[in-house]
Amino acid sequence: AQSVTQLDSQVPVFEEAPVELRCNYSSSVSVYLFWYVQYPNQGLQLLLKYLSGSTLVKSINGFEAEFNKSQTSFHLRKPSVHISDTAEYFCVGSGGYNKLIFGAGTRLAVHP
Amino acid sequence: DGGITQSPKYLFRKEGQNVTLSCEQNLNHDAMYWYRQDPGQGLRLIYYSQIVNDFQKGDIAEGYSVSREKKESFPLTVTSAQKNPTAFYLCASSKGDEQFFGPGTRLTVL
Repeated sequence: AQSVTQLDSQVPVFEEAPVELRCNYSSSVSVYLFWYVQYPNQGLQLLLKYLSGSTLVKSINGFEAEFNKSQTSFHLRKPSVHISDTAEYFCVGSGGYNKLIFGAGTRLAVHP
Repeated sequence: DGGITQSPKYLFRKEGQNVTLSCEQNLNHDAMYWYRQDPGQGLRLIYYSQIVNDFQKGDIAEGYSVSREKKESFPLTVTSAQKNPTAFYLCASSKGDEQFFGPGTRLTVL
């Protein structure tokens, strides 16, 4: 079955600390992988995506994710978080024919 | 500005009433989608449409209906047959691999 698993439902962290949000995908999921971010009571915004090529992809606000085929993982990292990074983050895989497979989400809470 | 609009942002209905959620896009995207979001469950696909006048059921279509008469519009009707309709509903559109999301409608059935 196609699935995307986010290993942590909540991640609390202090401001300026590093953070890693973990994501694993089943081998039946197409290797088009995405991270979306959702701020409270808003829609989802694309943070970064891996389609092919370099396995390390970066966003404009300092997040990065590495596609690891052998470990079927696509973890999201940021070396130093800000209060404004507080949001819910979704790891998403492609199920083919424009169908997306969503993880359950990880709520990142950045504390001062 | 191009984008996806959903209205209203908050919607309240009495149990047993049908309600229609609006979704409009001016991105010229062929494909459109409806998702339901519940706490701790991520997003689940209700219906999707790859082209005008055509749509398919997603993973949780029971109790919902859609239409796609225009490329720009993909309204979702939550019928009285939906057993647990209170949720956050998100509309999206795509042209290629990336989906673009609207701001969502929070439906509360009293």
